[in-house]
Amino acid sequence: NAGVMQNPRHLVRRRGQEARLRCSPMKGHSHVYWYRQLPEEGLKFMVYLQKENIIDESGMPKERFSAEFPKEGPSILRIQQVVRGDSAAYFCASSPRAREDEQFFGPGTRLTVL
Amino acid sequence: GENVEQHPSTLSVQEGDSAVIKCTYSDSASNYFPWYKQELGKGPQLIIDIRSNVGEKKDQRIAVTLNKTAKHFSLHITETQPEDSAVYFCAPHYTSYDKVIFGPGTSLSVIP
Repeated sequence: NAGVMQNPRHLVRRRGQEARLRCSPMKGHSHVYWYRQLPEEGLKFMVYLQKENIIDESGMPKERFSAEFPKEGPSILRIQQVVRGDSAAYFCASSPRAREDEQFFGPGTRLTVL
Repeated sequence: GENVEQHPSTLSVQEGDSAVIKCTYSDSASNYFPWYKQELGKGPQLIIDIRSNVGEKKDQRIAVTLNKTAKHFSLHITETQPEDSAVYFCAPHYTSYDKVIFGPGTSLSVIP
């Protein structure tokens, strides 16, 4: 059973471009979470999704950031008009049920904004 | 409010010694208490968890103890090895808010 997959692993964008991060949860998992981690810091919750629904986006900036988890295909975290402050590692996690279960993390996407 | 603290923030031990990391939280309704290990350049991975109906759980060299009254739970690593060097995060599930809040992390260094 493959683990959580994220791609790309590394992404370089210039200021003003769009970044699109993909996450394929573990097979059978319908709950997906996105986190951001700055160097030497902890994990900051961004958004929690179930298939086709955003359950909690309280940690996501209101502008430029969006997330989706379509019926078919991976979950996508989209950052429009990136700025240098968006440079971070973005982790996706999935779980089979709700939040009071183990979360299985992907390897992360490291975004660098030039 | 939602508040999770870890102590200490950094910990350095000699190989073979024990390490203890404490996590305090503020939601008395929390019912799920996991610890994650994050190695450099990788995503976090669950190493042990405990639910509110149990006071202690052990898995080989790793144990977790829970004190619901005092609202803290601790990670215990015995006979530490260099490969235990990593950042450890607690992530209690806040039932009242239906959120998982990650602690700020504890950087553990095991000196050979």
